[in-house]
Amino acid sequence: GESVGLHLPTLSVQEGDNSIINCAYSNSASDYFIWYKQESGKGPQFIIDIRSNMDKRQGQRVTVLLNKTVKHLSLQIAATQPGDSAVYFCAEDRAGSYQLTFGKGTKLSVIP
Amino acid sequence: ETGVTQTPRHLVMGMTNKKSLKCEQHLGHNAMYWYKQSAKKPLELMFVYSLEERVENNSVPSRFSPECPNSSHLFLHLHTLQPEDSALYLCASSQEITGGTEAFFGQGTRLTVV
Repeated sequence: GESVGLHLPTLSVQEGDNSIINCAYSNSASDYFIWYKQESGKGPQFIIDIRSNMDKRQGQRVTVLLNKTVKHLSLQIAATQPGDSAVYFCAEDRAGSYQLTFGKGTKLSVIP
Repeated sequence: ETGVTQTPRHLVMGMTNKKSLKCEQHLGHNAMYWYKQSAKKPLELMFVYSLEERVENNSVPSRFSPECPNSSHLFLHLHTLQPEDSALYLCASSQEITGGTEAFFGQGTRLTVV
């Protein structure tokens, strides 16, 4: 079936290094994508979004890349900090739908 | 603080109990959602409300009963739950349900059914 998924369930990075979290989606009709961060004991928190008419969007220390050819989404975090440790979810908004479809999440652990 | 407040944060209930989860949003949004988050599973959408009308019910068992008295408040009434219903229940809101906008989540209610 069509789904949003993540390539790796866990990722460990050294503090100060850059992190890259990947996500694959299968519905070519999806036109809006969001990355969420969920810290332990908290609800998901919006990080950054991107629409399908773009291939790159930058925020503060974060960049989202969208490759529609291979249906791939990535989140890049620059100079990863201990506070970045969390589970990261990508979510897909399918055109004509009114619900987000979430991936399973990648757990990012930052090593001090 | 996302502007979406859920109470209680933690709830332990027996299988014969009746309890309710509450969600309140202070963002002026028109759409509200209930999600279930179980370990090692993607977020599962349960219910969607738009302007106090339910527009989606994703085959959720009748032991979960939502209520949306106004566009700022959303409840999830629980009765005769099963242990497998133990999970984090998340409320979210968005400006509209038509998509293309982010959803804001509450902190969730950690539910344990014993």
